[in-house]
Amino acid sequence: DAKTTQPPSMDCAEGRAANLPCNHSTISGNEYVYWYRQIHSQGPQYIIHGLKNNETNEMASLIITEDRKSSTLILPHATLRDTAVYYCIVPDGSSNTGKLIFGQGTTLQVKP
Amino acid sequence: GAVVSQHPSRVICKSGTSVKIECRSLDFQATTMFWYRQFPKQSLMLMATSNEGSKATYEQGVEKDKFLINHASLTLSTLTVTSAHPEDSSFYICSASSTWGTEAFFGQGTRLTVV
Repeated sequence: DAKTTQPPSMDCAEGRAANLPCNHSTISGNEYVYWYRQIHSQGPQYIIHGLKNNETNEMASLIITEDRKSSTLILPHATLRDTAVYYCIVPDGSSNTGKLIFGQGTTLQVKP
Repeated sequence: GAVVSQHPSRVICKSGTSVKIECRSLDFQATTMFWYRQFPKQSLMLMATSNEGSKATYEQGVEKDKFLINHASLTLSTLTVTSAHPEDSSFYICSASSTWGTEAFFGQGTRLTVV
């Protein structure tokens, strides 16, 4: 899997946008960027994924830079329930079967 | 999103006994399922890849004779922790990917405590 780098922790005020960065400078042309989050003592939850275009769904937006070497996950209006560990993952493009190698992720603390 | 159910959510067992954990895809067929282990304050570690109708592929350092995986149908994979020891106490999580998409969906996890 292409290596990703995320800050270990971030804080965000409730109601504000949370912008979580991820660097993946070794990403290949056919490799997607996936974001998952894990709330304490639960299984990870799929958030969003993208290849080169920006993506948006009901949970978040994903902004991928033009050179694809970095991306940002945006939670537009963070709530206390968004407190979790957020993982940015770039699976091996040759085996896009759902196999995920997790790094340490970013612990997002949403504060009132 | 698709639903993956894991059972049991919590189990306590005695040292030396075996424990079976089930992972079911409820609304889709999963040709591939994955098993992870997570120790406190650590990230998820992939243990093995389970393919329906064939032998599982284990990650380096994971004992295949200790962690038995069976993927007998397109909706069910099981992980059996054999001869469990206290050091096997952990949070075990499964995921499944469907035949129509590439994102994986995770079960709620199983907290195993070996006493």
